[in-house]
Amino acid sequence: KQEVTQIPAALSVPEGENLVLNCSFTDSAIYNLQWFRQDPGKGLTSLLLIQSSQREQTSGRLNASLDKSSGRSTLYIAASQPGDSATYLCAVRAGGTSYGKLTFGQGTILTVHP
Amino acid sequence: EPEVTQTPSHQVTQMGQEVILRCVPISNHLYFYWYRQILGQKVEFLVSFYNNEISEKSEIFDDQFSVERPDGSNFTLKIRSTKLEDSAMYFCASSFARANQPQHFGDGTRLSIL
Repeated sequence: KQEVTQIPAALSVPEGENLVLNCSFTDSAIYNLQWFRQDPGKGLTSLLLIQSSQREQTSGRLNASLDKSSGRSTLYIAASQPGDSATYLCAVRAGGTSYGKLTFGQGTILTVHP
Repeated sequence: EPEVTQTPSHQVTQMGQEVILRCVPISNHLYFYWYRQILGQKVEFLVSFYNNEISEKSEIFDDQFSVERPDGSNFTLKIRSTKLEDSAMYFCASSFARANQPQHFGDGTRLSIL
């Protein structure tokens, strides 16, 4: 059974810092990995999708890397801003005959203070 | 940008009552999903739906749950006889393809069972 773990559980940084969020998964037979942002009481906003054949994806100040064989992904946020404060979730999409089921980590709560 | 929309945003129901949660997926998407998030816990997969039938479901999705796409735009989740433990945020998601496209989530329906 796939298990997804995110560390740290919470992170508080001053504005302007570069930071790294970590995600690990137990079963490397995945199609892809998706990073989401969740604001309090809101839905999930997709940030980046990285396919199992890719090593990294970039969008603006965000960069996600994937090491499928070791079961790890990182989300790098450059020059953090207070507006980046949110919970960040990673989710892996099962391979094989699965119809797209996502398995989520518990999230990292990020606070960026001015 | 196209969005997944969910109604209502908050539903309060007495235990034992039936509830229907509604979703309008992104119009050209073909795969539809329901997830739930109990307060303080991970987002959990419930069911995926493609070509007018359930393609995958979790052990949570028992006989009390059903899904339907009654017309070309709506996608519904019905809980027949609600229990206290059904209290959660329910998210609808959709994607264009099964595996290599991101899933897009709605803002969720908060279901409170009294």
